[in-house]
Amino acid sequence: DAMVIQNPRYQVTQFGKPVTLSCSQTLNHNVMYWYQQKSSQAPKLLFHYYDKDFNNEADTPDNFQSRRPNTSFCFLDIRSPGLGDAAMYLCATSRGRSAGRNEQFFGPGTRLTVL
Amino acid sequence: TQLLEQSPQFLSIQEGENLTVYCNSSSVFSSLQWYRQEPGEGPVLLVTVVTGGEVKKLKRLTFQFGDARKDSSLHITAAQTGDTGLYLCAGVKNYGQNFVFGPGTRLSVLP
Repeated sequence: DAMVIQNPRYQVTQFGKPVTLSCSQTLNHNVMYWYQQKSSQAPKLLFHYYDKDFNNEADTPDNFQSRRPNTSFCFLDIRSPGLGDAAMYLCATSRGRSAGRNEQFFGPGTRLTVL
Repeated sequence: TQLLEQSPQFLSIQEGENLTVYCNSSSVFSSLQWYRQEPGEGPVLLVTVVTGGEVKKLKRLTFQFGDARKDSSLHITAAQTGDTGLYLCAGVKNYGQNFVFGPGTRLSVLP
């Protein structure tokens, strides 16, 4: 089945220790998104790639970076995790960004704990 | 200021009851989507509405897009415990590119 896969499902890191979360998709979608979701809140968009074109949200901290080496994979790098970065990180994909193409398909998420 | 507002924020009902949750905006949206998210999982797409006044049914769930494409509702008939979850509306503003989520309605259906 075509799907969005996130690894690992659970990640524990130490304060200030860099961490990388990964996402892969078999849907061959053009757009890949990274969201941060804290408890009892809606997902908050961090950034997205339209093909190789990187689009950062204005309020995404510099501590968060992303890489998309090819269509299938996208990575979220947190350079120096703080306690406030503990959250669920969701990856999603869509065919495009316009109406009729922007339905998003989500992975199961990676829950990040910062000690 | 939230671009999309959802109400109620929390809803707890008994199995078998009917309910409606709302998604509202002062802006026109080219399309709106509804997602359900269960604890520890990613959101799952339920439906997309595109045309003003559109009504879509998914088994016991009925979705409606407002005539002016500024609001949407989700009605659940005879709720079941499996309907429990966080219901999120999301979409792209007219002529925009940025996809936004509402804050969600957390539904608990009690046996």
